[in-house]
Amino acid sequence: QVELVQSGPEVKKPGASVKVSCKASGYTFNNYAVNWVRQAPGQGLEWMGRIRVYNGNTKSTQRLQGRVTMTTDTSTSTVYMELRDLTSDDTAVYYCARARGIIGESFDYWGQGTLVTVSP
Amino acid sequence: QSALTQPASVSGSPGQSITISCTGTSNDIGDSSYVAWYQQHPGKPPKLIIYEYTKRPSGVSNRFSGFKSGNTASLTISGLQADDEADYYCCSFAVNVRVVFGGGTKLTVL
Repeated sequence: QVELVQSGPEVKKPGASVKVSCKASGYTFNNYAVNWVRQAPGQGLEWMGRIRVYNGNTKSTQRLQGRVTMTTDTSTSTVYMELRDLTSDDTAVYYCARARGIIGESFDYWGQGTLVTVSP
Repeated sequence: QSALTQPASVSGSPGQSITISCTGTSNDIGDSSYVAWYQQHPGKPPKLIIYEYTKRPSGVSNRFSGFKSGNTASLTISGLQADDEADYYCCSFAVNVRVVFGGGTKLTVL
């Protein structure tokens, strides 16, 4: 069965960086893109970006361009998302989600979420 | 890009039907973008319930149906059940990978 397992909660100081991992299993890792979506406390979903695993091509929202980096390790079927220059506005649950199908227009499997807290 | 517009809340009684609207612009929903719908229970990750405007993933009840007209997509839930109480999000995907979520709608089953 398809499963995405994310790393544990993080507490960071403003200005620091955080790197969240997402380990995939149950499917051919290279065949699907992986997206990152975050949700601030009590708020809605915000798409951050996606990485095409087979070639490493990334696309991210303009709001986060320059601060977010997505990478993969095909040897361990793991996707990473690093966010730099953290502020309190980055406090959120971060989800990885597999893109469905060739176009990847929707997200059919989700990780359990990783809470990132940014606090002085 | 701006979020898609959804009502903040809707409610219905068990057995009834409800519809949640998702209004965009000619740059997203109206631009032949794909639209998906997600259900999220408290403390859980979102679950895909509709993709490509009208299609249901395997295992999703046929009580959930999607529709699109112009710049607006809609989700209808028929035969409301207690477990349908959750937050619902629409999401537009453009071919240049421009992804926008709606603000979310809280469904209360009375």
